[in-house]
Amino acid sequence: AQKITQTQPGMFVQEKEAVTLDCTYDTSDPSYGLFWYKQPSSGEMIFLIYQGSYDQQNATEGRYSLNFQKARKSANLVISASQLGDSAMYFCAMREGQVNSGYSTLTFGKGTMLLVSP
Amino acid sequence: NAGVTQTPKFRILKIGQSMTLQCTQDMNHNYMYWYRQDPGMGLKLIYYSVGAGITDKGEVPNGYNVSRSTTEDFPLRLELAAPSQTSVYFCASSLGGDILSYEQYFGPGTRLTVT
Repeated sequence: AQKITQTQPGMFVQEKEAVTLDCTYDTSDPSYGLFWYKQPSSGEMIFLIYQGSYDQQNATEGRYSLNFQKARKSANLVISASQLGDSAMYFCAMREGQVNSGYSTLTFGKGTMLLVSP
Repeated sequence: NAGVTQTPKFRILKIGQSMTLQCTQDMNHNYMYWYRQDPGMGLKLIYYSVGAGITDKGEVPNGYNVSRSTTEDFPLRLELAAPSQTSVYFCASSLGGDILSYEQYFGPGTRLTVT
């Protein structure tokens, strides 16, 4: 089973509107972290936002917020007031616990391509 | 700070050739990683290292080797290149592994084509 599932291959949104990019995850570890990265056409990976499994509140970073629904195992990224520069590929990723072992690798979803139109 | 740097940016290899992808970070991070990204896909972990002298396999290690002689450098070696290794390769680093929130910092990537 996939650990990270992003069901939307592509999304379209008009400038200044909000958009939600879906991410569901699968883990039996009680400790985990969820990340969203942006990959513009230039190719670099840019960290956007982080949510820990024990965090009580949804993470926010400027126009980015994470709609964390733990029981449903979903961690959707919400971008408010979309801008043309938001057009990019967006990846959801998870790091599972095993903190004491020092194990710390990310598992990535396949990504969602977001296109923002004027 | 330069962050994570990778060389080369682009490379074309013939089948059976070998090459080393270089990765250097100047953030004194203990953890380093190599990923590959195939077209339309997410990143898959090839190898990672939790410190100098320590490396371990990720999800797709076959056909690759790594070494970590210093904290800064984490080269990825391709022996006997195959068309299936055509991909974009990303190196990344993170401060540690004992805190879940440590983000990974990525290099700009190396686009490799094997023909």
